[in-house]
Amino acid sequence: EVQLVESGGGLVQPGGSLRLSCAASGFTFSSFGMNWVRQAPGKGLEWVANIKPDGSERYYVDSVKGRFTISRDNAKNSMYLQMDSLRVEDTAVYYCGRSLEYWGQGTLVTVSS
Amino acid sequence: QAGLTQPPSVSKGLRQTATLTCTGNSNNVGNQGAAWLQQHQGHPPKLLSYRNNNRPSGISERFSASRSGNTASLTITGLQPEDEADYYCSAWDYSLSAWVFGGGTKLTVL
Repeated sequence: EVQLVESGGGLVQPGGSLRLSCAASGFTFSSFGMNWVRQAPGKGLEWVANIKPDGSERYYVDSVKGRFTISRDNAKNSMYLQMDSLRVEDTAVYYCGRSLEYWGQGTLVTVSS
Repeated sequence: QAGLTQPPSVSKGLRQTATLTCTGNSNNVGNQGAAWLQQHQGHPPKLLSYRNNNRPSGISERFSASRSGNTASLTITGLQPEDEADYYCSAWDYSLSAWVFGGGTKLTVL
């Protein structure tokens, strides 16, 4: 059974940093591209970043370029999202996903002073 | 990054048929079609269909997807109370190298 479990969310002040983790199990992690998708309170889904199976290519939505970094450790079946220079508008539930078919339960990031 | 266009809301009666639309361009929906996801309040999204009308295992045949040009559609037949949810379309945009989502359609089953 495919499982994705996010962790690392919390409350942070504007300008601060957080690192989200996504632990994967139930499939060959190193064979699949992975995504981070977020959803602000009461809003729709927004794709944040994508990383290829071997980590060689990474893509980002314009609003996070230069502030967020997606990475993965295939030996640990894990993916990460380093979030720096956080803004109030980054407040959202962050989902880890394998393609669009498998999703974690999400972790809440709140950016507020 | 421009997203896909979905109507904010659709209302239909029990056991009726609802058709939801999603408009993009030739770089996204018009290229390899769209995926459709269902999301109930407080839950992660659930994939209903990808690349137009491929359904993951376990998804009811009441959900069917299609595409005409740059517009994708999701048709839900025999509407049930549990179909009341938010529905999102998504596609990879080859010019942006990014996934794009629609703003979502809230389906109400009367």
